[in-house]
Amino acid sequence: GQQLNQSPQSMFIQEGEDVSMNCTSSSIFNTWLWYKQDPGEGPVLLIALYKAGELTSNGRLTAQFGITRKDSFLNISASIPSDVGIYFCAGQTSVGANSKLTFGKGITLSVRP
Amino acid sequence: DAGITQSPRHKVTETGTPVTLRCHQTENHRYMYWYRQDPGHGLRLIHYSYGVKDTDKGEVSDGYSVSRSKTEDFLLTLESATSSQTSVYFCAIRSNTGTSTDTQYFGPGTRLTVL
Repeated sequence: GQQLNQSPQSMFIQEGEDVSMNCTSSSIFNTWLWYKQDPGEGPVLLIALYKAGELTSNGRLTAQFGITRKDSFLNISASIPSDVGIYFCAGQTSVGANSKLTFGKGITLSVRP
Repeated sequence: DAGITQSPRHKVTETGTPVTLRCHQTENHRYMYWYRQDPGHGLRLIHYSYGVKDTDKGEVSDGYSVSRSKTEDFLLTLESATSSQTSVYFCAIRSNTGTSTDTQYFGPGTRLTVL
C-alpha cells in the first residue's frame, strides 16, 4: 500500500530555532495535510495544501506542496516550547466517497528552553 | 473545535469481553472514520462510513465491526477484545462539499487497555 516517509523519528531543537520537516511518498497525492498532536489529544489540522507548488503559511508555520506531488515540507520558525508534539503529514488522493488519508508515522519534536 | 466527542475517553477491559466505543458529531458531516494509533505505526484506518448504514473496511479491520444508524453517531465494536487491540482509538469526520477542502478533523481519542 501507499506509504509516507517521515524522518527522523525525533528532533530536538533549541527554543528560537527554525526547524524543517519533510514528508515523501512513492505515490502522487492531490492534497497534502500537516497535523500536530499534543499528548493525550487528537491530531489537529495545521495546514492543508491543494495544488502542486503551493506555499501556505499559518503564523510561524509554512508548508509547501511539492511540484512532483510526491512530497511536502513543513517549516516552523522561531520555535517556542508549545511547539512540542508529534507532527504528522498525510496525503489524500481523491475527494469522493472512497477518499482516505495516508499518514506518515510522525516526527516527535522537542524544544529545549 | 470541530464538534466531535468520543466516549468513553478511557477504558480497561478483560480479554474476551465485548467493547463498544462511540463517536458523536454535531457537524452533520457525511463521512466518519475510526483509526487506531500505536507506537511505530502512526494512525491506521479501521473502518469508515460514507453515510447512514454505509460502511467499509480500512486497512486493519479484522476483529472490529462498526455501525452507523444515525448521521451523528458512529460506533466501533470489538466483539471479543484481545490484548493486541490495546491502543488509542480516534474518530474523525469529513465534510462532503465535493472539493479538495474536505479534510478530516479528529476527536480527542479513547485509550483502551485490554488485560
